[in-house]
Amino acid sequence: GQSLEQPSEVTAVEGAIVQINCTYQTSGFYGLSWYQQHDGGAPTFLSYNGLDGLEETGRFSSFLSRSDSYGYLLLQELQMKDSASYFCALPNFNKFYFGSGTKLNVKP
Amino acid sequence: NAGVTQTPKFQVLKTGQSMTLQCAQDMNHNSMYWYRQDPGMGLRLIYYSASEGTTDKGEVPNGYNVSRLNKREFSLRLESAAPSQTSVYFCASSESPDSGNTIYFGEGSWLTVV
Repeated sequence: GQSLEQPSEVTAVEGAIVQINCTYQTSGFYGLSWYQQHDGGAPTFLSYNGLDGLEETGRFSSFLSRSDSYGYLLLQELQMKDSASYFCALPNFNKFYFGSGTKLNVKP
Repeated sequence: NAGVTQTPKFQVLKTGQSMTLQCAQDMNHNSMYWYRQDPGMGLRLIYYSASEGTTDKGEVPNGYNVSRLNKREFSLRLESAAPSQTSVYFCASSESPDSGNTIYFGEGSWLTVV
C-alpha cells in the first residue's frame, strides 16, 4: 500500500526559510507532488518531482531522494500569505494518495 | 475558466437521509475523484473513475456510491447519511496520474449530518 508521513505543524517567522519533510512508502513510484491548502479553500498544486534532485519554482523548491523514499518542500522568503497546510502526495496508478498535511504558521 | 465545479457548497442532513453531490469538470480530463477531508487530517480517497464508464473504490468507500455519468460528470451519493460522514468533500480531476499530472480540486462541499 501507500503511506506518507509529514510533520503536523511548523512555525516560522516572516522572511525566514522553512523545510517541510515527507517520507513515503509505496508499491509503485510515479513521483512526489506537493499541494497547498489555505483554510476553507481547495488544495492547489505547487510542485512535482519525478526524478531525484531539486525542482525550483520561484520561492518554492521541492527535493526528492527515491533511494531514501524522502522528499521535502522548501519555502524561502516566507510571507504571511504562506500560512496554510501543505500536503505531499503520491500519484499511483489512477489514484493520488495524500499525507495528513503540515500546517505552516508564519509569524510577523 | 470554471475548472472543477461541485454542488452544493453547504448541506445539512438528518441521519438516514440521502443526497447526491454533483461534480463537473470542463478540462476534458479522463480521471475524476471524490475525497473527504476531516479536521486536521489529509485527503482520503472515497472513489475514483479512471475513465468514462469505470469506477473503483478508494480508501474509504463504505456508505457511498458513485456514478460517472459521462466524461465531464462524476457524482457521489450518500444513501443513508450517518454522523460519521460529516466532512468536507472534494471532487477532483486529472488528465492521468501516472506521469504526475496535476490534480485539480473543486471548491469543496461542507456536509453536516445531525
